[in-house]
Amino acid sequence: DVKVTQSSRYLVKRTGEKVFLECVQDMDHENMFWYRQDPGLGLRLIYFSYDVKMKEKGDIPEGYSVSREKKERFSLILESASTNQTSMYLCASSPLDREASYEQYFGPGTRLTVT
Amino acid sequence: AQKITQTQPGMFVQEKEAVTLDCTYDTSDQSYGLFWYKQPSSGEMIFLIYQGSYDEQNATEGRYSLNFQKARKSANLVISASQLGDSAMYFCAMRDDAGGTSYGKLTFGQGTILTVHP
Repeated sequence: DVKVTQSSRYLVKRTGEKVFLECVQDMDHENMFWYRQDPGLGLRLIYFSYDVKMKEKGDIPEGYSVSREKKERFSLILESASTNQTSMYLCASSPLDREASYEQYFGPGTRLTVT
Repeated sequence: AQKITQTQPGMFVQEKEAVTLDCTYDTSDQSYGLFWYKQPSSGEMIFLIYQGSYDEQNATEGRYSLNFQKARKSANLVISASQLGDSAMYFCAMRDDAGGTSYGKLTFGQGTILTVHP
C-alpha cells in the first residue's frame, strides 16, 4: 500500500520560530510537492522537487524554503514563522512519467498554528 | 497561467440522488490532465477520477463520472446514487503536460463542500 507520511498532524509554534515540516514517501517517486490549504483558496503549491537536491518554486514560495537530501524525504522549512502561515500543509508525491495519468498521492496533512 | 474555478462553495443532495459538481478551467495548452479529489473531514486527499485532454470518452470510476466538455472548458464531476459517506470537500485540479516540463504540478480549484442528507 502506497504511503506518504508527515511528521506531525498538529503543530503549534510561536512567531519567529524556525519550523520544519517533514514528509516521507515509500513509493520511490521522483516528484514531491508541498501545498498549503486555506478556506476558499483551495490548495496552493509552495515548492516542488523532481529529484534529489532539485527544487522549484511554486505559486507562493515567499517565507518558505525546502530541502531534499534523500529521494524519499522532502522537508518544508518556515525560516521565521508568522501568523499568516497558520494553515493546513499537505505533502504529495508522484512518479516522473509525465505521459501517464498518475495522480499525486497525499499525506494526511499538518495543521500548523502560529501564535 | 492555468486557472481552475469551482463556483459552488456548497452543495446539498438527498441520499441516493445524483449530484453534479461544477469545474471550469482555463489553459492555453493542448495537452493537460484533469483530476478530482475528495477530502473527508479527516483531511486526507483521495483521488477519484482522471480525464486526459485527448481522451474522447468521458472517464468513469464506479459511481463517479467526469462530464468533459472540451470546447466549454468544463470538467464536471457527477456522483450517482449519493451515499452519506460522500459528504466531503471535493477539489477539481489540472495538470499541465505541455512540453513535458510540468513535473506533474497540479493547479487546484477552491473546492466544493458536498453534504448528503439522509
